[in-house]
Amino acid sequence: DAGITQSPRHKVTETGTPVTLRCHQTENHRYMYWYRQDPGHGLRLIHYSYGVKDTDKGEVSDGYSVSRSKTEDFLLTLESATSSQTSVYFCASSRDIPGDTQYFGPGTRLTVL
Amino acid sequence: QKEVEQNSGPLSVPEGAIASLNCTYSDRGSQSFFWYRQYSGKSPELIMSIYSNGDKEDGRFTAQLNKASQYVSLLIRDSQPSDSATYLCAIQGFGGTSYGKLTFGQGTILTVHP
Repeated sequence: DAGITQSPRHKVTETGTPVTLRCHQTENHRYMYWYRQDPGHGLRLIHYSYGVKDTDKGEVSDGYSVSRSKTEDFLLTLESATSSQTSVYFCASSRDIPGDTQYFGPGTRLTVL
Repeated sequence: QKEVEQNSGPLSVPEGAIASLNCTYSDRGSQSFFWYRQYSGKSPELIMSIYSNGDKEDGRFTAQLNKASQYVSLLIRDSQPSDSATYLCAIQGFGGTSYGKLTFGQGTILTVHP
């Protein structure tokens, strides 16, 4: 399995506070992704990165920003958390696209009160 | 219409039976197709990938792809209780803004009972 870690694994926060989730991979993968998973919706892509400082939006990017200053780290920031952002967040990475396997991190369960 | 649709579950099969999981997709330009397994509270893990029409077998798992019908399926033979999980179909786009991105179905919950 690819070495992907996420931190924190669990977080409870209040509406309006900023939150940053971190994804770290040790595989030197070029591509990294942030997904959210909600009941009935499967996994939905928030943002992805195709290299250091190169990022693009996914299908549910509103309210989220990302940064990638190093190959191994991909940060997801909720500038002002809302209750609708309560979800499980997964990070993934892949060596190259198209057709390359995406490997997932363990997930972060975020609750916004 | 959703871009990727999976057969509604939950699906329950007896141990030793064949479990059949189905997925249809709307983007005719899709090139890569994946099946992920996700145990409760865990992250998705890849079990099969398929890129060409036809069947691809890996142990007890067989993926079937029919691009003309925009259909991909996963068969699990000799189902075991350890196969009980949610199965996610994922389609990778190739053209335009969908290039390289995975679109997931909502998942099918499979329960294999002894």
